[in-house]
Amino acid sequence: AQRVTQPEKLLSVFKGAPVELKCNYSYSGSPELFWYVQYSRQRLQLLLRHISRESIKGFTADLNKGETSFHLKKPFAQEEDSAMYYCALSTYNQGGKLIFGQGTELSVKP
Amino acid sequence: KAGVTQTPRYLIKTRGQQVTLSCSPISGHRSVSWYQQTPGQGLQFLFEYFSETQRNKGNFPGRFSGRQFSNSRSEMNVSTLELGDSALYLCASSVGTLQETQYFGPGTRLLVL
Repeated sequence: AQRVTQPEKLLSVFKGAPVELKCNYSYSGSPELFWYVQYSRQRLQLLLRHISRESIKGFTADLNKGETSFHLKKPFAQEEDSAMYYCALSTYNQGGKLIFGQGTELSVKP
Repeated sequence: KAGVTQTPRYLIKTRGQQVTLSCSPISGHRSVSWYQQTPGQGLQFLFEYFSETQRNKGNFPGRFSGRQFSNSRSEMNVSTLELGDSALYLCASSVGTLQETQYFGPGTRLLVL
C-alpha cells in the first residue's frame, strides 16, 4: 500500500537557520509528490510539487527515487515560515487521491 | 478566479442524525475530492468525483457517500452519525487530469454530540 511518512511532528529552529522537513514514501510506481502548507487560520495550499522543479518562498524539494524521499529544504528560515507542512503523494492510477503524511509543525523562533 | 467554497463552515449534530456538506469547486474544475481531517488520523481521503462519477474511493464505511452535479458542485452525506465522525471535512478541486494539483476549500467543521 502507498504510504507517506513524516517522522517529525514538530521542528523548531531559530530565524536564519537552515530547515529540512523530511518526507519518505512507499510506492513502487512513478509518484507525483507535493508539499502543502497550512498557515494559522488559513486553508491548506500548495507550496510546491516535484514535477515543476520550482523554488517557492525559498523552499526546494528534490525527489530521490532511490531513497524514496522528498525532503523540503530552505537555507534560511523566516518567522513567517511557521506553519504545518504536509507531504502528499499522488499515484498515476488514482490521480484524484492524495495520500498525506501526518504533517510537521515548523516553528521558527526569533 | 474564486477559490473553492464549502458550506456550512460549522455544524453541530447529535449521534444518529445525518448531515450533508456542500462544496463548490473553482470554475472550470471538473474533479472534486473529499478528505477527513482529525488530530489522530490526520488527512484521509474519502472519495473523488469527476464528471458526476465517483472515480476513486477511500476506506470509509458506506455511511459516507457523495455525489456531483452537472455544474461540478459536490455534496457529501454522512448518515447515522457517530461521535468519531467529528472532524474537519475538506474538499479540493482540480482540473481533472491525473496527478494534477488540488486546491482546497476552508473546510466544514462537524461536531457530533
